[in-house]
Amino acid sequence: KQEVTQIPAALSVPEGENLVLNCSFTDSAIYNLQWFRQDPGKGLTSLLLIQSSQREQTSGRLNASLDKSSGRSTLYIAASQPGDSATYLCAVRGVYGNKLVFGAGTILRVKS
Amino acid sequence: GAVVSQHPSWVICKSGTSVKIECRSLDFQATTMFWYRQFPKQSLMLMATSNEGSKATYEQGVEKDKFLINHASLTLSTLTVTSAHPEDSSFYICSASALGLYEQYFGPGTRLTVT
Repeated sequence: KQEVTQIPAALSVPEGENLVLNCSFTDSAIYNLQWFRQDPGKGLTSLLLIQSSQREQTSGRLNASLDKSSGRSTLYIAASQPGDSATYLCAVRGVYGNKLVFGAGTILRVKS
Repeated sequence: GAVVSQHPSWVICKSGTSVKIECRSLDFQATTMFWYRQFPKQSLMLMATSNEGSKATYEQGVEKDKFLINHASLTLSTLTVTSAHPEDSSFYICSASALGLYEQYFGPGTRLTVT
């Protein structure tokens, strides 16, 4: 059974810092991995999707990497801004079926 | 593209009543829809997967007679919480995917409060 763990559970940083969020998964047989952002009381916003054959994806100040063999992914946020404050969720899709398994998330607070 | 809506965005109901939540794919045909539940400060837990025209597949521990899912068309799925109790209060989120799409597209969620 796939399990997804996210570290740290919460993070508070001053504006402008570069930061790294970590995601690990127990079963390396994945189809893809996705990072989401969730604002309080809201739905999910997809940030980056990495296919199992890819090593990284970039979008603006965000960069996500994937090391499938070690079961790890990182989300790098450059030059953080107060508007980046949210919960960041990592989810993996297995090679069989189309279910997503979510981590518990990292609550990020960027202080101005 | 790939927009998913949910209605209502929030609902309050009395214990013992039933409430229906709609999930619609606005600009694509969703062959598969997913229903998740999220308790405060917790992550999303998949409740069930539904394919258009078929019965939903429920995750272990989810009562199929309590959470009725209908996916009668390629653009609409409904979740009915029957005989709701306060412990059913949660944030319910749906997502949709289609053949050829790599990812699921998520709705904005519905906040259910049972008093």
